[in-house]
Amino acid sequence: DTGVSQDPRHKITKRGQNVTFRCDPISEHNRLYWYRQTLGQGPEFLTYFQNEAQLEKSRLLSDRFSAERPKGSFSTLEIQRTEQGDSAMYLCASSLLPADSSYEQYFGPGTRLTVT
Amino acid sequence: KQEVTQIPAALSVPEGENLVLNCSFTDSAIYNLQWFRQDPGKGLTSLLLIQSSQREQTSGRLNASLDKSSGRSTLYIAASQPGDSATYLCAVGRNYQLIWGAGTKLIIKP
Repeated sequence: DTGVSQDPRHKITKRGQNVTFRCDPISEHNRLYWYRQTLGQGPEFLTYFQNEAQLEKSRLLSDRFSAERPKGSFSTLEIQRTEQGDSAMYLCASSLLPADSSYEQYFGPGTRLTVT
Repeated sequence: KQEVTQIPAALSVPEGENLVLNCSFTDSAIYNLQWFRQDPGKGLTSLLLIQSSQREQTSGRLNASLDKSSGRSTLYIAASQPGDSATYLCAVGRNYQLIWGAGTKLIIKP
């Protein structure tokens, strides 16, 4: 297994455009998480899925943001009508829901979004 | 509301020194605590995970401790090397989410 992958790694877009990011988790992991990280700060939780169900969304996730995880495999995060404040690194992580409750999250390389 | 603080925000030490990075959190009801490394412009590499029932974890030159009652964790790096230069982040886990500190930027001078 190659770990969590994200695509694209970098995205530059103009304000007002829509963008979509993809995350492929570790294959046997049933939980998938999205975080956002701005320069000089720690990541902030956005949302998470258990299998295909989106179980929690942060208040940071405005109505311009939508995430899906069809069939409980890969996930997409779409941002509509991008704003300059959306410029950040978008990080995806996955974990098992394990019997030992370790909840260790494994992170992908991130997608860096720049809105001009 | 859980808040995570990392002090210092930046640290510069000569190669070979042992050093300690600090992480504090306000709510002791955590599932685990993870330490991560982040290189500039890159994603996150997990270094150590400490379960809430554990007091410490070790991996190579790294040792992380956890004291839930006082809301503190430390990451000890022995015999630092220039390749250890990075930002180190701690994150406390509670069920589905990690809550993060802002990180300590570490520079190891050759």
